[in-house]
Amino acid sequence: QVELVQSGAEVKKPGASVKVSCKVSGYTLTELPMHWVRQAPGKGLEWMGGFHAEEGETIYAQKFQGRVTMTEDTSTDTAYMELSSLRSEDTAVYYCATKGGDFWSGFDSWGQGTLVTVSS
Amino acid sequence: QSVLTQPPSVSGAPGQRVTISCIGSSSSLGAAYDVHWYQHLPGTAPKLLIYGNSNRPSGVPDRFSGSKSGTSASLAISGLQAEDEATYYCQSYDNSLSGWVFGGGTKLTVL
Repeated sequence: QVELVQSGAEVKKPGASVKVSCKVSGYTLTELPMHWVRQAPGKGLEWMGGFHAEEGETIYAQKFQGRVTMTEDTSTDTAYMELSSLRSEDTAVYYCATKGGDFWSGFDSWGQGTLVTVSS
Repeated sequence: QSVLTQPPSVSGAPGQRVTISCIGSSSSLGAAYDVHWYQHLPGTAPKLLIYGNSNRPSGVPDRFSGSKSGTSASLAISGLQAEDEATYYCQSYDNSLSGWVFGGGTKLTVL
């Protein structure tokens, strides 16, 4: 049973960066391709990027390229998502999500979500 | 505007059957990529409902079913229950964007 536990809510000013963590238990991070999805208030789900195990690299949604970095610390089984140059439109709940199958599978495990508020 | 198009809302009475459509394009559903469906309740994490077009994870009632044909897919919910009231999202891969995409979401209201 995979469990994903995310870091707590953050409040940031425009132009700052935020780093959200996602700790894995029940499996090791090396066994799970981690992805990140966000939901802005009143909006739908939006995929930000994730690890493509078959290609051996992290891929990012075009919208976020250059502004997002996804990393992993395998010694602590913790994944991180850092988003820079924050603007008010980045106010959202950010989820880490993973899948037990290959890259083409659905996301069957999700973190509880981390609210990031961007406000001056 | 989402790459996958869903109706904003659907509704049905308890016991009835509803369907939610998901329209893609030649670079997503039409390129033979699978579609997955999620159920999302406010304040909780999304839950995988259907994967690989028509497969249910263990624990998901057989009232939920999925299908896909060409550039479109649909989620059917039969025997509607009050607890089914949620927002439903379809998801697929889009090779023109080189990434995963979600539909805009469909809010199901059980009357």
